[in-house]
Amino acid sequence: SYVLTQPPSVSVAPGQTATITCGGNNIGIKSVHWYQQMPGQAPVMVINYDTDRPSGIPERFSGSKSANAATLTISRVEAGDEADYYCQVWDVSSDHPGVFGGGTKLTVL
Amino acid sequence: QGQLVESGGGLVKPGGSLRLSCAASGFRFNDAYMNWIRQTPGKGLEWISYISGSSSTIYYAESVQGRFIISRDNDKNSLSLQMSSLTPEDTALYYCVKGYTIGDAFDLWGHGTMVIVSS
Repeated sequence: SYVLTQPPSVSVAPGQTATITCGGNNIGIKSVHWYQQMPGQAPVMVINYDTDRPSGIPERFSGSKSANAATLTISRVEAGDEADYYCQVWDVSSDHPGVFGGGTKLTVL
Repeated sequence: QGQLVESGGGLVKPGGSLRLSCAASGFRFNDAYMNWIRQTPGKGLEWISYISGSSSTIYYAESVQGRFIISRDNDKNSLSLQMSSLTPEDTALYYCVKGYTIGDAFDLWGHGTMVIVSS
């Protein structure tokens, strides 16, 4: 089955830029979606289809992708951005298509 | 935007069965791709099942294939997950989740219902 790999943790100072990576085999040909999960809450989609930002998500959140990895970038990080972030793809070639990365804990120093 | 409300979670013994339900409102349920996604306490997210609007396409994760059955009632705007042969590894918070556009992303989540499998 398809595997997505994320760093377990990322730390950044307020006002700086956080980058969270998501690696997977041939990820360049898949659509990658990102979710933010605050403690005790359900996840919220913050980026879909690699780069699109749903309405209501701040412009500080952006997504990008290369042939080998997808990246979630959070600019001008705020204390309120501290959360777990998950990448996700839908592997259409599989009978078990839903795949999440292991998640990255973003800590704002 | 819509709302999803799960119910049916609880404590069940290993080998037992449980049926989860999800009540949907605020969107065209019969057009929506729906999923169940679970999260073990303190761990990550695991997608476990998908059903298309007409129920013609269903997928399961390998971890639940053959034990769980997803279904929906479009007349009642409801989604269900029948779980059997439960093991402690099935202990998790179970989310009802709506698929986005073609169903390959997840744009609306319920608050989840907790399932604990323990003797």
